[in-house]
Amino acid sequence: NAGVTQTPKFQVLKTGQSMTLQCAQDMNHNSMYWYRQDPGMGLRLIYYSASEGTTDKGEVPNGYNVSRLNKREFSLRLESAAPSQTSVYFCASSEALGQGSGYTFGSGTRLTVV
Amino acid sequence: GENVEQHPSTLSVQEGDSAVIKCTYSDSASNYFPWYKQELGKRPQLIIDIRSNVGEKKDQRIAVTLNKTAKHFSLHITETQPEDSAVYFCAATFATYKYIFGTGTRLKVLA
Repeated sequence: NAGVTQTPKFQVLKTGQSMTLQCAQDMNHNSMYWYRQDPGMGLRLIYYSASEGTTDKGEVPNGYNVSRLNKREFSLRLESAAPSQTSVYFCASSEALGQGSGYTFGSGTRLTVV
Repeated sequence: GENVEQHPSTLSVQEGDSAVIKCTYSDSASNYFPWYKQELGKRPQLIIDIRSNVGEKKDQRIAVTLNKTAKHFSLHITETQPEDSAVYFCAATFATYKYIFGTGTRLKVLA
């Protein structure tokens, strides 16, 4: 049982380059999330998807786009990477949005933008 | 606005002592409060959670207490062990049904 799988684990980009972070879950969860983690800032929500076919902005959506490809997959795209987007990115999923439903996190993607 | 404050940011305790981490939240409608543990270089993992209709919940050496009137909840770890060393995050749900996380507490258990 893989849980939540993220790829890649590490990535270095040059300013202005684009990339897509992939996330897939095999727990039949309805809701999926993308967080970024910066030192001293905790986990901040970038985008989330309450269910297949829906996406919404979180706390820090600027510079990112997402696609909920199907129930299993939720991707995060950086169209033009900036040094401020250097961070560790976590994908997570839950049975339902928020209320009383614990998250399962992926192992993270460490992104450096130079 | 939606906010969760977590204190302290770092905490050092001697092995065998207790550790307490406290979080306050801004929305009185919040009704689910999970705690996550993140070991160095690893993903956050859910360790315990509490709902607003319960005042306290225990799981072996870990307990969480909730004071709805004061809008704060706390994580208590008793008989701490070196493997408890990690960063702990609290979270609360808000009217939009999303979690907001606290900024984390780095717990160091000294042998």
